[in-house]
Amino acid sequence: EDQVTQSPEALRLQEGESSSLNCSYTVSGLRGLFWYRQDPGKGPEFLFTLYSAGEEKEKERLKATLTKKESFLHITAPKPEDSATYLCAVQKDSSYKLIFGSGTRLLVRP
Amino acid sequence: SAVISQKPSRDICQRGTSLTIQCQVDSQVTMMFWYRQQPGQSLTLIATANQGSEATYESGFVIDKFPISRPNLTFSTLTVSNMSPEDSSIYLCSVEAIPDTQYFGPGTRLTVL
Repeated sequence: EDQVTQSPEALRLQEGESSSLNCSYTVSGLRGLFWYRQDPGKGPEFLFTLYSAGEEKEKERLKATLTKKESFLHITAPKPEDSATYLCAVQKDSSYKLIFGSGTRLLVRP
Repeated sequence: SAVISQKPSRDICQRGTSLTIQCQVDSQVTMMFWYRQQPGQSLTLIATANQGSEATYESGFVIDKFPISRPNLTFSTLTVSNMSPEDSSIYLCSVEAIPDTQYFGPGTRLTVL
């Protein structure tokens, strides 16, 4: 069965304290892996798409990497404005459907 | 990217009634989707809204409960019919504005009493 698991469920960091979020997936025929950011009361905001193992993408303090079984979202020197829920999703070859994980709630304290 | 708006942004409804949610995008898109995000849970795809033909529903979702219209390439509606408290969720539309990338609207927060 297709499955996406994110860990940890919640993460508290001090401003400037770098860390990583994990997204492990089990899916046959991966078309792409997506990272989104969701602020309270808002829709998910697109961050990255990764297509193949070894691929990396960066945006400001965020860097996403992909292996054959998991993806990491690295946050370098986070700021309080990085506080949000980060969602991981996969898309299969045969479908437009995004299969989401349950998310990681990140809180960055000043 | 695409600019997506949804109406209403939130509503409180009585059990047994229906609510229609609108999704408008600022450019023509082929693919539009409707997702549900139940309290404390992640997003689940309800259906793909096809222009000019019937929507394609995911397992567990049926047309009688969630009828969808897609009259043109910039607009879609989702109706939540005969609501119960279990339908309390955030309903989100998304579009594939560029290949392989879905952008989401702001969501409609529905509470059913």
